[in-house]
Amino acid sequence: GAVVSQHPSWVICKSGTSVKIECRSLDFQATTMFWYRQFPKQSLMLMATSNEGSKATYEQGVEKDKFLINHASLTLSTLTVTSAHPEDSSFYICSASGGNYGYTFGSGTRLTVV
Amino acid sequence: AQSVTQLDSHVSVSEGTPVLLRCNYSSSYSPSLFWYVQHPNKGLQLLLKYTSAATLVKGINGFEAEFKKSETSFHLTKPSAHMSDAAEYFCVVSVGATGGTSYGKLTFGQGTILTVHP
Repeated sequence: GAVVSQHPSWVICKSGTSVKIECRSLDFQATTMFWYRQFPKQSLMLMATSNEGSKATYEQGVEKDKFLINHASLTLSTLTVTSAHPEDSSFYICSASGGNYGYTFGSGTRLTVV
Repeated sequence: AQSVTQLDSHVSVSEGTPVLLRCNYSSSYSPSLFWYVQHPNKGLQLLLKYTSAATLVKGINGFEAEFKKSETSFHLTKPSAHMSDAAEYFCVVSVGATGGTSYGKLTFGQGTILTVHP
């Protein structure tokens, strides 16, 4: 079946630094990638949708300059949290879709900003 | 607009007893509906999906769900709970995306935490 690899699984960074999270589709071409954020004991909230080769579409309230999304190839999308602050600490999950594969989720990244 | 309501934030069952996780949806169009399971600090695993075919959908690990349009419901059931079923479950709705080349946004329910007692 379809596999999506997300790295790193957890990261701790200092306030003011940037962190990049990678999402790779290992055995299919992901024409669309979704990035979600999940706060403790809450549901997943869609941050943005990206189609390969196009600019990402951000959900209302999500700062595009803070959460940079790149989807340069059919197998890789990255989310960069710029100038991270403690309130950005959260669980980030990607989802890849393409071909006959539905929505395949990565294993998530736990970001802690100190 | 589409939305999903999971009627129970927590469900507790004994091992070997039936599981019922309730989900109601709202959608202006014919929806695709999914159930996902999430173990702590993990990604989401698809249990099953409904995409306008059979209304009774069978998934992995013995789970199944029935799409009832008249009740706008998509409840998840399992005849006999196992300890390994303890996790958080999400009911999800999507409009206009059933695979292929078009993928619509997913809207997640609030989640139901399933606890299984020995």
